Amino acid sequence: NAGVTQTPKFRILKIGQSMTLQCAQDMNHNYMYWYRQDPGMGLKLIYYSVGAGITDKGEVPNGYNVSRSTTEDFPLRLELAAPSQTSVYFCASRRGENEKLFFGSGTQLSVL
Amino acid sequence: GEDVEQSLFLSVREGDSSVINCTYTDSSSTYLYWYKQEPGAGLQLLTYIFSNMDMKQDQRLTVLLNKKDKHLSLRIADTQTGDSAIYFCAERGTGRRALTFGSGTRLQVQP
Repeated sequence: NAGVTQTPKFRILKIGQSMTLQCAQDMNHNYMYWYRQDPGMGLKLIYYSVGAGITDKGEVPNGYNVSRSTTEDFPLRLELAAPSQTSVYFCASRRGENEKLFFGSGTQLSVL
Repeated sequence: GEDVEQSLFLSVREGDSSVINCTYTDSSSTYLYWYKQEPGAGLQLLTYIFSNMDMKQDQRLTVLLNKKDKHLSLRIADTQTGDSAIYFCAERGTGRRALTFGSGTRLQVQP
């Protein structure tokens, strides 16, 4: 099993550019999450999904969009990148509410 | 909203015990977790405790929960240089589908 796979690992964007951060899991997990981690800060929840076709906003959703067309994939879209979106982005998944949360290795994004 | 707080930094000598502390505000917290993050990696679950427990021991790790004070601690016995990492406290309350994380405590182990 690959677990939770995130791509790319690093990316530099110019202000106003768009990009999609990819996240895929091969564990047949229902729940998937996107967090961002700013330096010296904890993880902040951006969006989450409890199953294919269902997504919900987290604590800091502004400037982002998600979709969950399959159980495996949960891409995060940045439409108009801003410097405030410079962060490390983590995708995570788990099978059910009381199950262990598995994290990807992160995407480091810089917006200049 | 829910809040989880941790001290930012802890330095110990190899072989000593480390104690990392965490406080939380959500009185409905059902599960409390400790995650470890090594440089350039994602978070890995170290251990967790249910809110109806006071203590949980897992090899070198001891988790203590004071529900009245909403205080959680992680004790690492015989701390090794490989334990150097950032440790995150997290909690999940009843009915909530996502975890709330603290800002992490950087543990530095000196030889």
